[in-house]
Amino acid sequence: VLTQPPSVSVAPGKTASITCEEKNIGTKSVHWYQQKPGQAPVLVIYYNNDRPSGIPERFSGSNSGNTATLTISRVEVGDEADYYCQVWDTSTDHHVVFGGGTKLTVL
Amino acid sequence: EVQLVESGGGLIEPGGSLRLSCAASEFSFSSYEMNWVRQAPGKGLEWVSYIGSSGSTIYYGDSVRGRFTISRDNAKNSVYLQMNSLRVEDTAVYYCARGRIGRNYYYMDVWGKGTTVTVSS
Repeated sequence: VLTQPPSVSVAPGKTASITCEEKNIGTKSVHWYQQKPGQAPVLVIYYNNDRPSGIPERFSGSNSGNTATLTISRVEVGDEADYYCQVWDTSTDHHVVFGGGTKLTVL
Repeated sequence: EVQLVESGGGLIEPGGSLRLSCAASEFSFSSYEMNWVRQAPGKGLEWVSYIGSSGSTIYYGDSVRGRFTISRDNAKNSVYLQMNSLRVEDTAVYYCARGRIGRNYYYMDVWGKGTTVTVSS
């Protein structure tokens, strides 16, 4: 089970950190999606800390131990969205697992 | 532009069946894994099903296994989701998503806009 905080608030220009917790998640590859209201999810980080083309450098990721983190630097109003972490669980049967999601509010 | 377009959603009574379609364009469809992911109203993302590039490898989420069937037609650049024995809790927006697989990772890099399925009497 991937555990995310339900909400994170940050002021514009500051840094937001969104965590995704699971025992030994550091042994897996973690991916992150952004979803704005009424829109489809968008991949923002893959393979722990790689950015797809078109995603600003302000978005970065890390993964170690029991916690993966999505960090958004110099937060903008347009970053307000739900963010989901995701892993590929092959321990028993093959499953895509999403975290519960975190609502990022830009104050 | 790489694109996925879902269709087939609608209002259906509990116990009924529905078939969703997803049409892909502007990429080599037969080279990619494909998925269905759903989102119930006000809820988070829930993975539904995966199909490998050739169609020979298939996985399902626990909540739909035995009721839903994923398939693909590489000649038509399309992936499908046959949904049987529908329940009220299957009500959701259903997204089609392209997968990227590696030795120990899997993620979805292109998503459609979704199609809405409502199960209600």
